[in-house]
Amino acid sequence: DIVLTQSPALAVSPGERVTISCKASESVIRRMHWYQQKSGQQPKLLIYKASNLPSGVPARFSGSGSGTDFTLTIDPVEAADTATYFCQQSWNGPFTFGSGTRLEIK
Amino acid sequence: EVQLVESGGGLVKPGSSLKLSCVASGFTFSNYGMHWIRQAPKKGLEWMALIYYDSSNKYYADSVKGRFNISRDNSKNTLYLEMNSLTSEDTAMYYCAKEDLGGDFDYWGQGVMVTVSS
Repeated sequence: DIVLTQSPALAVSPGERVTISCKASESVIRRMHWYQQKSGQQPKLLIYKASNLPSGVPARFSGSGSGTDFTLTIDPVEAADTATYFCQQSWNGPFTFGSGTRLEIK
Repeated sequence: EVQLVESGGGLVKPGSSLKLSCVASGFTFSNYGMHWIRQAPKKGLEWMALIYYDSSNKYYADSVKGRFNISRDNSKNTLYLEMNSLTSEDTAMYYCAKEDLGGDFDYWGQGVMVTVSS
């Protein structure tokens, strides 16, 4: 199975730029997707196929990467962005998720 | 508006069975693959099962293969997950999710809690 590695937590101040990384154990081409999960809620799709923004997602969110290294960027960060962010691959084998990065807004 | 509404969760004893349902609305259910994904308390997301739009193929995570069965009734816009031989390791919030063309999950239900405890 493809393993996705994320750093566990980040803390930033409102207005700053934050990057959240996800590293795959093998290439997933651009079949990497990002989700935001706020406390007590279901996950919400933020970015699909590495860099595409679904309708309704603010342009403060962006994604980049290909192969094994991917990044979710939030610029500028707002207090409402406090959440856990998960990456997920759909290229090969069973669908797998990263362990999540908890983002705290100071 | 797309909606996915799960039901059927609850508290069950180890070794028991349970069947979850997910009623879909707001899109053409019969055109899309559907998934079950679970999240143990304070843990990450774990993909469980996929069923193709026409039920022609089903795939499972190794952790549930042989114990769980995913099915759907396109006439009722409903997805199911039958869970057997439940253990405490199966305690989690279970989400149904719609798969979009790129393999992402563009819509999720609110989740249903399953607790396995004696």
